[in-house]
Amino acid sequence: QKEVEQDPGPLSVPEGAIVSLNCTYSNSAFQYFMWYRQYSRKGPELLMYTYSSGNKEDGRFTAQVDKSSKYISLFIRDSQPSDSATYLCAMRVANNNDMRFGAGTRLTVKP
Amino acid sequence: EPEVTQTPSHQVTQMGQEVILRCVPISNHLYFYWYRQILGQKVEFLVSFYNNEISEKSEIFDDQFSVERPDGSNFTLKIRSTKLEDSAMYFCASQPRQGGPYEQYFGPGTRLTVT
Repeated sequence: QKEVEQDPGPLSVPEGAIVSLNCTYSNSAFQYFMWYRQYSRKGPELLMYTYSSGNKEDGRFTAQVDKSSKYISLFIRDSQPSDSATYLCAMRVANNNDMRFGAGTRLTVKP
Repeated sequence: EPEVTQTPSHQVTQMGQEVILRCVPISNHLYFYWYRQILGQKVEFLVSFYNNEISEKSEIFDDQFSVERPDGSNFTLKIRSTKLEDSAMYFCASQPRQGGPYEQYFGPGTRLTVT
């Protein structure tokens, strides 16, 4: 089983739709969970992070972590064409700089 | 807004040649990282660097790789004898403090093509 699994998509939605992006993982020691957005030919840009389980909301974005299921999600409300990008989940254990990324999901929001 | 910069944006080299990828982290950041992303694959951690020494490295970061902070601003990744499989995007990242990995700021990347 891969350490971090993420459906690469592609995912295409109409403008205004709610988008759900997900990752599963196998290492129960992961404690920090991040979502990055990567535009074409750019480096990853941190969107949100969560420590341990729970929800976190920032504007149109909500991150959820369910450690019991080893499952994390990112929801985008009222999606916009400018949200079109690849979304990467990433996670790591405490006191370790080795961050593990998912494969990334390519999202297209159509006007 | 401060940002991480990387040069060159694209490097083409022949197999067996040495390459140096350069990064200028955000000023006053203390932690520095290199990642790579082979086309169509995941972003992979290579190495972290703090206080002028490697703090962690992955199994990918073998003896062919080295990192250096030669002065107060640059952070370099050297590949001594490039292989075809080293072709990838290489991202540098910097972090202001030991506040968690979520504060890593990535550069735009250098695309390395080994022929």
